Amino acid sequence: DAKTTQPNSMESNEEEPVHLPCNHSTISGTDYIHWYRQLPSQGPEYVIHGLTSNVNNRMASLAIAEDRKSSTLILHRATLRDAAVYYCILRDGTTNAGGTSYGKLTFGQGTILTVHP
Amino acid sequence: DTGVSQDPRHKITKRGQNVTFRCDPISEHNRLYWYRQTLGQGPEFLTYFQNEAQLEKSRLLSDRFSAERPKGSFSTLEIQRTEQGDSAMYLCASSPWGVSYEQYFGPGTRLTVT
Repeated sequence: DAKTTQPNSMESNEEEPVHLPCNHSTISGTDYIHWYRQLPSQGPEYVIHGLTSNVNNRMASLAIAEDRKSSTLILHRATLRDAAVYYCILRDGTTNAGGTSYGKLTFGQGTILTVHP
Repeated sequence: DTGVSQDPRHKITKRGQNVTFRCDPISEHNRLYWYRQTLGQGPEFLTYFQNEAQLEKSRLLSDRFSAERPKGSFSTLEIQRTEQGDSAMYLCASSPWGVSYEQYFGPGTRLTVT
């Protein structure tokens, strides 16, 4: 699985934007970029994903570099509830010999986001 | 609530005992995954079911571990002869068919082996 690199930790103030970077220089053409987050004592939660174009949803925005070797998760206005570990994951979109992609997620260490009131 | 549920939420057992965890995925999801997470680390993939068929297993899944998904609905993960190194959070996730669909995680089962 292609690997991602994220900063160990980042800090933000409440109601300010947060830009969480991720490097994935060995990304292949069929890898989707997924972001999940994990709040304390909970299972991971899907945030957003993209392939080539920038994506927006109600939770966040995903900016993908033109060469796809890096991406940035943008939280437009951080709240205390956004304090979590954020994981950037490359998910293989190819099919295997049986014609199916199993889609397992390979998590790294993630970025611990602290939000100050 | 129609999310992924796991039972029990916490399990304390003595070394050498067998334990079984249950996962109930979102009803229309045919893909089911088990992950394990130790303190301070990201989740690690254990095994994958597509309906009732177990199609992928990680090398982390030693022969003491067995997982089933009878009838393609709920799934169980059994650990035989537990060891202290098995202490971890065991997470279940489900997703619908498709290469880009997100996975929905349950709250996990925290296993402590004493």
